[in-house]
Amino acid sequence: GQQVMQIPQYQHVQEGEDFTTYCNSSTTLSNIQWYKQRPGGHPVFLIQLVKSGEVKKQKRLTFQFGEAKKNSSLHITATQTTDVGTYFCAGGNNAGNMLTFGGGTRLMVKP
Amino acid sequence: EPEVTQTPSHQVTQMGQEVILRCVPISNHLYFYWYRQILGQKVEFLVSFYNNEISEKSEIFDDQFSVERPDGSNFTLKIRSTKLEDSAMYFCASSDNQGISSNQPQHFGDGTRLSIL
Repeated sequence: GQQVMQIPQYQHVQEGEDFTTYCNSSTTLSNIQWYKQRPGGHPVFLIQLVKSGEVKKQKRLTFQFGEAKKNSSLHITATQTTDVGTYFCAGGNNAGNMLTFGGGTRLMVKP
Repeated sequence: EPEVTQTPSHQVTQMGQEVILRCVPISNHLYFYWYRQILGQKVEFLVSFYNNEISEKSEIFDDQFSVERPDGSNFTLKIRSTKLEDSAMYFCASSDNQGISSNQPQHFGDGTRLSIL
């Protein structure tokens, strides 16, 4: 079945440093979504990418979808303590509405 | 902003007992989902539900699991004979109409923490 891998598992950064998490799927995706989960919280939808090579920005966050629609990345510029949490990518298949989540990258920011 | 609500927030049950987890999806949403997250691990898809029937289910969603929409607002997950390894956080989610070729964003509830003793 479809597998979605994410690296790194953990990332400690100093406040103000940049952060990137990478997502790879074993199969071509119809779309990819990114979610953020704060400690003790639930996943919160951030963004969806649908087109090959698509790049979207939300303030300090930049999301990319690979040309082959098998990988994606999330880059945060100048991290803040409010960015703390686990960032999950979730791949959608062509057949239906099932999302396959990656393992997540837990971001910790030192003030 | 409309929310997905889940009850109870925490359920403690003896192994072998049945549990029912309840969810009220966002009112105008048509697709409903259950996920589970074992502590510290990734979110795992269990099942999706549309038009009063299961749309997709994962390998995890075996015969001990069932879902139901008993009325116009609730969406339930039943685990028939719980096992120790069923201990996890269970999230309900809902989404709007499915796009032609892509999934719609999913809105998650706060989850029910299920502890099997």
